[in-house]
Amino acid sequence: DTGVSQDPRHKITKRGQNVTFRCDPISEHNRLYWYRQTLGQGPEFLTYFQNEAQLEKSRLLSDRFSAERPKGSFSTLEIQRTEQGDSAMYLCASSWSHSETQYFGPGTRLLVL
Amino acid sequence: ELKVEQNPLFLSMQEGKNYTIYCNYSTTSDRLYWYRQDPGKSLESLFVLLSNGAVKQEGRLMASLDTKARLSTLHITAAVHDLSATYFCAVGRSNFGNEKLTFGTGTRLTIIP
Repeated sequence: DTGVSQDPRHKITKRGQNVTFRCDPISEHNRLYWYRQTLGQGPEFLTYFQNEAQLEKSRLLSDRFSAERPKGSFSTLEIQRTEQGDSAMYLCASSWSHSETQYFGPGTRLLVL
Repeated sequence: ELKVEQNPLFLSMQEGKNYTIYCNYSTTSDRLYWYRQDPGKSLESLFVLLSNGAVKQEGRLMASLDTKARLSTLHITAAVHDLSATYFCAVGRSNFGNEKLTFGTGTRLTIIP
């Protein structure tokens, strides 16, 4: 399967704990995006990488959030000191160029208790 | 700030009927994307519309884009149960070579046999 993959698919954590999610994009795609989706809403943009460079971050991405794409391939999204408001589906997408389709992964569903 | 509005938010229709979902957006863009999402699943790309007047069709779905009116439509012809899902439109804006997508709130479509 050459689609976007994400790990883990589900994560339950207690408030105050740190969590890290991983995204493996489609192999030839150099653009990678993170979005967050809460129940009943459309996805909201969080951050974007072109190769290993993080070029844009949303204001939604507080200081507790950090994302990396160290070798321009897979990416990680870490949330420190999780809060209940962080509960959401975290979606990763990748694309080859800026006007092409973004292909989404299956998402990581986070529940903060 | 770019705003994307879809209507209706909820749509219940009988099999065999035709209907249209509308997507309005607030600022200039010539890139419009339609996605489908099944419950608990990720987003599946349906259409990419890259210019004014673009029209694309796949099976019972047809999407069009009017950039002057800042309006896209998704038309459903002779609906079947398999089309039940949530449909999102998303507008693309470029920053730093990034295609940041701003999504609408989605239209939850239920096809009744």
